[in-house]
Amino acid sequence: KAGVTQTPRYLIKTRGQQVTLSCSPISGHRSVSWYQQTPGQGLQFLFEYFSETQRNKGNFPGRFSGRQFSNSRSEMNVSTLELGDSALYLCASSSDLSSGNTIYFGEGSWLTVV
Amino acid sequence: GNSVTQMEGPVTLSEEAFLTINCTYTATGYPSLFWYVQYPGEGLQLLLKATKADDKGSNKGFEATYRKETTSFHLEKGSVQVSDSAVYFCALRLPKGAGSYQLTFGKGTKLSVIP
Repeated sequence: KAGVTQTPRYLIKTRGQQVTLSCSPISGHRSVSWYQQTPGQGLQFLFEYFSETQRNKGNFPGRFSGRQFSNSRSEMNVSTLELGDSALYLCASSSDLSSGNTIYFGEGSWLTVV
Repeated sequence: GNSVTQMEGPVTLSEEAFLTINCTYTATGYPSLFWYVQYPGEGLQLLLKATKADDKGSNKGFEATYRKETTSFHLEKGSVQVSDSAVYFCALRLPKGAGSYQLTFGKGTKLSVIP
């Protein structure tokens, strides 16, 4: 069974540009969430989608957006990139929203903004 | 609000030493608790979990018990190996119906095991 797949794994962007990151969840999983990991702030929740609906959103500016498609694949977009957006972006999937369900993470997309 | 506090690192141990990484939480309701591990350059892997009070999660020699009275979920291993060197994260997730299903993470504890 394939795990959570994130693309691209590494990318470098210039300030002011935008970026789109993609996530394919484990087959059959309908919940996808995104996290940002930085040395200073640690792991911070961005947003969560379930059956194409955004169920929850973290405390990030409107430059950060996301969506989920009917096949459960998800994308997140960051517009007008800032140096501080340099981070590891992690996607996670689970079968539903039950508290105890295991949440599986992908290997992440490393974004560097220069 | 909901939060997780775990011991500051880094932690350096000799091979075969006993490991304890403390984790305490603050949450409304009865969260599920998790330990995740992150090896260099990789994403997060679930190490173990517990979904209710007094549950003990265990995996690969690691254990943690959900203690509601002390709001704690300390990670332990009796004999660490060099391959256990990684960053360990404690996390909680609120129960369904709480309106928020995200994981709330601690800051992480870096463990280095030396031969």
